[in-house]
Amino acid sequence: DGGITQSPKYLFRKEGQNVTLSCEQNLNHDAMYWYRQDPGQGLRLIYYSQIVNDFQKGDIAEGYSVSREKKESFPLTVTSAQKNPTAFYLCASSISGGRTSLYEQYFGPGTRLTVT
Amino acid sequence: QKEVEQNSGPLSVPEGAIASLNCTYSDRVSQSFFWYRQYSGKSPELIMSIYSNGDKEDGRFTAQLNKASQYVSLLIRDSQPSDSATYLCASRVRDDKIIFGKGTRLHILP
Repeated sequence: DGGITQSPKYLFRKEGQNVTLSCEQNLNHDAMYWYRQDPGQGLRLIYYSQIVNDFQKGDIAEGYSVSREKKESFPLTVTSAQKNPTAFYLCASSISGGRTSLYEQYFGPGTRLTVT
Repeated sequence: QKEVEQNSGPLSVPEGAIASLNCTYSDRVSQSFFWYRQYSGKSPELIMSIYSNGDKEDGRFTAQLNKASQYVSLLIRDSQPSDSATYLCASRVRDDKIIFGKGTRLHILP
């Protein structure tokens, strides 16, 4: 089955620790994204990548880092510099390129991170 | 600041009726628009996409786009309790980026 997987589903960490969230896709999509969702809030873009070995900051990149060494994988590290890391983290992917593309994004199941 | 605006709701609709969800966007060059359904505690699920003016129908769902008025809507016919969820409207503004609204909570009354 083609799709996007995120692991783990729930993650608990102590304040001051870095944590890496996994995102893998087998849809052969070029573009991948990380969003953060807080209760009652919309999706806020953290980072996105349109091609391997390249990525761009989104609206709230401070305190986060990413890598894109493989087309299928786009891990997100939440560093100790992120002031309010507790949130629901969503990874998405889409095809890329071409003005006629609808650029539909498809989401993984999400990782709920709790930092205490 | 490019934005997508939605009424947060909740929008309460009797079972079997038509639910109408609305969205406005600020960026005139937006080309593609999307509706996602998100159940509580789950990730968003794409249910409709549209890029041409007019209506697009898929089963019980109809997406409507009016680029002149910068307005997108989603109609759900024969509403079912399983349609109760938050509906996110989104637009593609440039490159591969999509901007999401904060969502409208829909409650179907049995």
